[in-house]
Amino acid sequence: QVQLVESGGGVVQPGTSLRLSCAASGFTFGNFGMHWVRQAPGKGLEWVAMIYFDGSDKYYSNSVKGRFTVSRDNSKNRLYLEMNSLRAEDTALYYCVRDKDGGAFANWIDPWGQGTLVTVSS
Amino acid sequence: SYVLTQVPSVSVAPGQTATITCGGNNIGSKSVHWYQQKSGQAPVLVVYDDSDRPSGIPERISGTNFGNTATLTISRAEAGDEADYYCQVWDGPRDQRLVIFGGGTKVTVL
Repeated sequence: QVQLVESGGGVVQPGTSLRLSCAASGFTFGNFGMHWVRQAPGKGLEWVAMIYFDGSDKYYSNSVKGRFTVSRDNSKNRLYLEMNSLRAEDTALYYCVRDKDGGAFANWIDPWGQGTLVTVSS
Repeated sequence: SYVLTQVPSVSVAPGQTATITCGGNNIGSKSVHWYQQKSGQAPVLVVYDDSDRPSGIPERISGTNFGNTATLTISRAEAGDEADYYCQVWDGPRDQRLVIFGGGTKVTVL
């Protein structure tokens, strides 16, 4: 079955960087767009970024644009999120989520991984 | 930017119907998707494209979308329906596409 396993979270200081990874299995990774969605403790869902199936297009939320970079390695079935200039408000559980297909507009997203926790604190 | 508005909480008695709304400007022109998130778990898609259900989702859960309001309806509510529910759409021009989530509605089955 489809599995998405995030890793790379941890406790970091403001202004530093962190790289998250998502290992995908159970499907042809290179055929699907992928997303990162985060959830601050006790808060709702916030979409972070998405990347097309082939990496040709990438989109970011306004809150992370210019600081975060999404990428993928289809040969390794891996999705990444490079996070720079981290702020306290980036503290959240970060989910890796598969797109309905390659990444067309209006798609639903599912399934979701279990998330990796990022805590930004001095 | 586009905003989706959900009421923070809804209570329902077992066996009754819970109605969860998601308001947005002309949301009826968009495809709305709904996710259920139980405590301590990752979200799960329960309705997509306004009213379709993924396999495994009971027919008791249904969706509509018209005008400025999308609605998720849970009929014959059960204790297992207790969860947070989020609506989701896409917005933006071709070079600035965004995924938008509503603030979520906590459903309590009394």
